[in-house]
Amino acid sequence: KAGVTQTPRYLIKTRGQQVTLSCSPISGHRSVSWYQQTPGQGLQFLFEYFSETQRNKGNFPGRFSGRQFSNSRSEMNVSTLELGDSALYLCASSLDRGLDGYTFGSGTRLTVV
Amino acid sequence: DAKTTQPTSMDCAEGRAANLPCNHSTISGNEYVYWYRQIHSQGPQYIIHGLKNNETNEMASLIITEDRKSSTLILPHATLRDTAVYYCIAETGANNLFFGTGTRLTVIP
Repeated sequence: KAGVTQTPRYLIKTRGQQVTLSCSPISGHRSVSWYQQTPGQGLQFLFEYFSETQRNKGNFPGRFSGRQFSNSRSEMNVSTLELGDSALYLCASSLDRGLDGYTFGSGTRLTVV
Repeated sequence: DAKTTQPTSMDCAEGRAANLPCNHSTISGNEYVYWYRQIHSQGPQYIIHGLKNNETNEMASLIITEDRKSSTLILPHATLRDTAVYYCIAETGANNLFFGTGTRLTVIP
């Protein structure tokens, strides 16, 4: 079966711009989570969506937002980009709550210049 | 959610068993122990999880002590492709994973 697909794979943006990243979960998976990975902070949880509702949220500023569509596909948006937002953004999906483990995508590498 | 403590790095000879320890002394009764690994530049990969019984799947075995304060992930015959950062996570619903710094396992030919 197809895995978790994240697009684009790489992205370069300028400070102050906004960006939208996309994640298509495994077919049938209704839970989608987003993580940010940087060398300094490691993997940090951003938020989780289930059936189009945000179910859990990490400690990130309001510039980071997301949504989930009826087909479980999810997008995350970062507005007013800062240099520190440069990171690998990972999406993970599961049937529900990751109890049987999350499947991660390969990520989108965002560089802010 | 319980914090976990793992050694920063470990080496293992190819073909030997790799035993990766994890301490989770503050784990609560309803928290599962999950293991993921991340190979360079890829997303984390789920390996195995357990609550209090030992578990085995096609990738690894998970041994959890009776008091549940520590666990060991066992890769029975390590290969070069097992070189990765291994994360031990103690979570309830596991929908908010705290990865920590993990153990960098290097499999040596």
